[in-house]
Amino acid sequence: DQQVKQNSPSLSVQEGRISILNCDYTNSMFDYFLWYKKYPAEGPTFLISISSIKDKNEDGRFTVFLNKSAKHLSLHIVPSQPGDSAVYFCAARIQGAQKLVFGQGTRLTINP
Amino acid sequence: DTEVTQTPKHLVMGMTNKKSLKCEQHMGHRAMYWYKQKAKKPPELMFVYSYEKLSINESVPSRFSPECPNSSLLNLHLHALQPEDSALYLCASSQRTSLSTDTQYFGPGTRLTVL
Repeated sequence: DQQVKQNSPSLSVQEGRISILNCDYTNSMFDYFLWYKKYPAEGPTFLISISSIKDKNEDGRFTVFLNKSAKHLSLHIVPSQPGDSAVYFCAARIQGAQKLVFGQGTRLTINP
Repeated sequence: DTEVTQTPKHLVMGMTNKKSLKCEQHMGHRAMYWYKQKAKKPPELMFVYSYEKLSINESVPSRFSPECPNSSLLNLHLHALQPEDSALYLCASSQRTSLSTDTQYFGPGTRLTVL
């Protein structure tokens, strides 16, 4: 049972445009959501997070939106840059727990 | 500073070998984690140490043995591994001060190959 789903295995965006990565979840007990970026053969790098009490969090070019009623979150990157090409993982944590549940990842490619 | 370091970067071992992976953080974090990641898959949690005590073991085979000598160090001892254990092993740490916004920071990983 996959509690966190990233339905798009890959996404291709032109440099300078907006990249939108999506994530759906099924467990209403999740209270904290994170996005990580991963280059090949490296560890995931924390990008941005959002608590379930908020619906938006912004950090520079990165904005995460949370729609609790739809159990959906999205990561917006604007403007997209070539260095943003990587695999992006959405992760969620159940209230009171330490375990992160990861989505399958979306490979983002920024084209010049 | 959100740096977690891991050594070695690469490790090749036979099925009869004993080896150890090491992880270190100097951020004052009180929770440390071991994850395993296979190609094209998300990280899978193996163990969690909280305040230097093992708090989560995700039913990992006993050929993997974690150890937390102090709050900055985390080891993963390997013995009699199988070729299917070949993967990227990731260490992470988090503050553990506020569960609601506790963020895990990952190290670069150790690429393990079992022959």
